[in-house]
Amino acid sequence: DQQVKQNSPSLSVQEGRISILNCDYTNSMFDYFLWYKKYPAEGPTFLISISSIKDKNEDGRFTVFLNKSAKHLSLHIVPSQPGDSAVYFCAASDGNQFYFGTGTSLTVIP
Amino acid sequence: DAGITQSPRHKVTETGTPVTLRCHQTENHRYMYWYRQDPGHGLRLIHYSYGVKDTDKGEVSDGYSVSRSKTEDFLLTLESATSSQTSVYFCAISDSNRGYQPQHFGDGTRLSIL
Repeated sequence: DQQVKQNSPSLSVQEGRISILNCDYTNSMFDYFLWYKKYPAEGPTFLISISSIKDKNEDGRFTVFLNKSAKHLSLHIVPSQPGDSAVYFCAASDGNQFYFGTGTSLTVIP
Repeated sequence: DAGITQSPRHKVTETGTPVTLRCHQTENHRYMYWYRQDPGHGLRLIHYSYGVKDTDKGEVSDGYSVSRSKTEDFLLTLESATSSQTSVYFCAISDSNRGYQPQHFGDGTRLSIL
């Protein structure tokens, strides 16, 4: 069973607007959550993370929100830029392994 | 960028043949991982290593073996390749398996088994 789920395979957003990517998880023992960005023919690159003891972490245009009671996290990108067009994976760690979602393909329309 | 090199980058082979993929790092990181990426499944862990000669299985380890004889090299072997192992394979490295230390990925190996 998939412990980390990204239910939206794709998302299109106008340049300058906010992009919101969502992720749900099932394991309450996860202690860290991460977002990775992947361009075609390249490996995923780390974007931002959040500890389970926090509910928000911000890094420039990227903010991750964690709702532990709902077992839900989201990545906000403001403002969205065409260079943000990529596949975004959320991941979770239980201190032993990392578990990845299926990815959301973001297209930012100029 | 983290120094991770995967080889080969592309490979086409036939069912039943052995295949070895190599991951080489120059970062001296303790942990190394092999993932496969398939549509609808995201990234799934095959095997990982927490030191020289120390390895453990991931969630999709059947049909795969690994070896790590040096800190810098982690090999993934398909003893007898099957068409279900057609995939994109990624190697990753990390200083820790804890979540606060993100993994750094190589650029992948696209493997096609006919």
